[in-house]
Amino acid sequence: GQQVMQIPQYQHVQEGEDFTTYCNSSTTLSNIQWYKQRPGGHPVFLIQLVKSGEVKKQKRLTFQFGEAKKNSSLHITATQTTDVGTYFCAGLYGKLTFGQGTILTVHP
Amino acid sequence: EAQVTQNPRYLITVTGKKLTVTCSQNMNHEYMSWYRQDPGLGLRQIYYSMNVEVTDKGDVPEGYKVSRKEKRNFPLILESPSPNQTSLYFCASSSSGSSYNEQFFGPGTRLTVL
Repeated sequence: GQQVMQIPQYQHVQEGEDFTTYCNSSTTLSNIQWYKQRPGGHPVFLIQLVKSGEVKKQKRLTFQFGEAKKNSSLHITATQTTDVGTYFCAGLYGKLTFGQGTILTVHP
Repeated sequence: EAQVTQNPRYLITVTGKKLTVTCSQNMNHEYMSWYRQDPGLGLRQIYYSMNVEVTDKGDVPEGYKVSRKEKRNFPLILESPSPNQTSLYFCASSSSGSSYNEQFFGPGTRLTVL
């Protein structure tokens, strides 16, 4: 079946450092979605990428969708303490499959 | 306010005692689904529904039942809960008839089965 692998599982950074999480699919995806879950909260939609090679930015966050539509990344520039949480990718191929998530902690 | 609500938010129960977790959305969404979240495993889909009276199994349906009699409600039923169903459960809805669009998640239900 379809698998979406996300790495790393954990990432600890100092405030101001950059952060990247990667998502890889075993199949070509229709689209990929990214979600953020604050500690104790629920997943909240961040963005959706549809086109091959697409790049989207939201302030300090940059999202990329690979040319083959099998991988994606989320990059945060100059992390802040408000960035803490778990970041999930979710790949759509017939159905939506979530990655395992990357737990980000930011030390002030 | 557009939202997905779940009840209860926390539940501690014993093995074999039937329970229902309710889920309701006020956005007139067609697509609704249930996920469980376990450490290191991410979000795994239990069941989903593309519309009223249409439900289908997700990746981990064993031990769960659902129904979709009304568009706004999608309850999750555990007929005979077991300790391996201890988890954090999320209901989600989406405006399209599939999971193509943004998923709106409820606040979660933390279930402990003793």
